[in-house]
Amino acid sequence: QQQVKQSPQSLIVQKGGISIINCAYENTAFDYFPWYQQFPGKGPALLIAIRPDVSEKKEGRFTISFNKSAKQFSLHIMDSQPGDSATYFCAARDPMKTSYDKVIFGPGTSLSVIP
Amino acid sequence: EAGVAQSPRYKIIEKRQSVAFWCNPISGHATLYWYQQILGQGPKLLIQFQNNGVVDDSQLPKDRFSAERLKGVDSTLKIQPAKLEDSAVYLCASSLLVASYEQYFGPGTRLTVT
Repeated sequence: QQQVKQSPQSLIVQKGGISIINCAYENTAFDYFPWYQQFPGKGPALLIAIRPDVSEKKEGRFTISFNKSAKQFSLHIMDSQPGDSATYFCAARDPMKTSYDKVIFGPGTSLSVIP
Repeated sequence: EAGVAQSPRYKIIEKRQSVAFWCNPISGHATLYWYQQILGQGPKLLIQFQNNGVVDDSQLPKDRFSAERLKGVDSTLKIQPAKLEDSAVYLCASSLLVASYEQYFGPGTRLTVT
């Protein structure tokens, strides 16, 4: 119930193409779903986040699509650029009723955008 | 604003030795987290502080790991004795609110145990 599953493990996309990363969860109590971007040698950085009562959120070239009934959400990167090459983590916040909330990270997707 | 600072950036030790990592969070951030990131995996929470108190250490291997947050600001994470499976990147993060999904991460310390 605590897991966040993520696929694919790695992804290669041509410049200008659309990158799509998918995540799934089981715990319906999760209340926020952030995406983090991590470049080599750096810590993860928050990219975009969505609440489960919203079906889509767009920020620039990055869009989260959320399917509450299927317990799935995805990140779409439009017009992918070589500078987008990084590892992407989906995550979920668990509002623990008996202790402090915690954020659970997926295993990550390594994205390479080739010219 | 200055980001989360961590040191050292890299550390190589032999098994059974001890090691300590330091973290300075963003000024004003009350919540501080230590994560372990094994190669190819997502960050795994080890311990979470609210000011200088521990609010979650359920995943911290307490027989060998310890952490403290001095005066609610800087924090240190110690491993004693280290095992081969402790080889990982240790990330420190901070947030303004408790257990916020909006966390700010430092660059991490890459630990190699030989």
